Amino acid sequence: AQSVTQPDIHITVSEGASLELRCNYSYGATPYLFWYVQSPGQGLQLLLKYFSGDTLVQGIKGFEAEFKRSQSSFNLRKPSVHWSDAAEYFCAVGLRGGNKLTFGTGTQLKVEL
Amino acid sequence: GAGVSQSPSNKVTEKGKDVELRCDPISGHTALYWYRQSLGQGLEFLIYFQGNSAPDKSGLPSDRFSAERTGGSVSTLTIQRTQQEDSAVYLCASSFRQGAGDEQFFGPGTRLTVL
Repeated sequence: AQSVTQPDIHITVSEGASLELRCNYSYGATPYLFWYVQSPGQGLQLLLKYFSGDTLVQGIKGFEAEFKRSQSSFNLRKPSVHWSDAAEYFCAVGLRGGNKLTFGTGTQLKVEL
Repeated sequence: GAGVSQSPSNKVTEKGKDVELRCDPISGHTALYWYRQSLGQGLEFLIYFQGNSAPDKSGLPSDRFSAERTGGSVSTLTIQRTQQEDSAVYLCASSFRQGAGDEQFFGPGTRLTVL
């Protein structure tokens, strides 16, 4: 069955430290890949997406993600975390030719000052 | 411009009652999606609209759930005879075109609590 796994439910980092959030997917072919952020009381906001081409994609707010086909992964990174980055992060995939997105269970990021 | 709006923002109801959740997509967006976010779980797809038709209802968990979209714009998700397991945040999203590759813009959600 198709699935998206975010193995880390909670992550705590110090402000200024680097961040990597993991995402693995199980699909027959390379899907569209997305990272969304959800701040308290707000809707989901798209950080970045991968369709094809360069496997390192840049997004908003200083985030980037790298697609690794051999590992079926699409990990999100940020070199230096800011306190305002505290939120919940969702990895999502969409089938090429499909419509809906399938989401991981999310990673809650806490930033210590 | 205005984003996706949803109403009400919070809804508390008693078990067995019917509820209606409303979504106003971004103007001009042809595709509309409903998702459910339960505590500790990711977003679960419920239904997708292209215009007023729903080509994919595969995520609706039971026949107590239904949705419609009128005028290619506003959508209403109806839950009949609510159960406690229906408690969740219901999120609506819209996109300019159909297709998983088109960015989906999400509303703030309706938090439903069934007592």
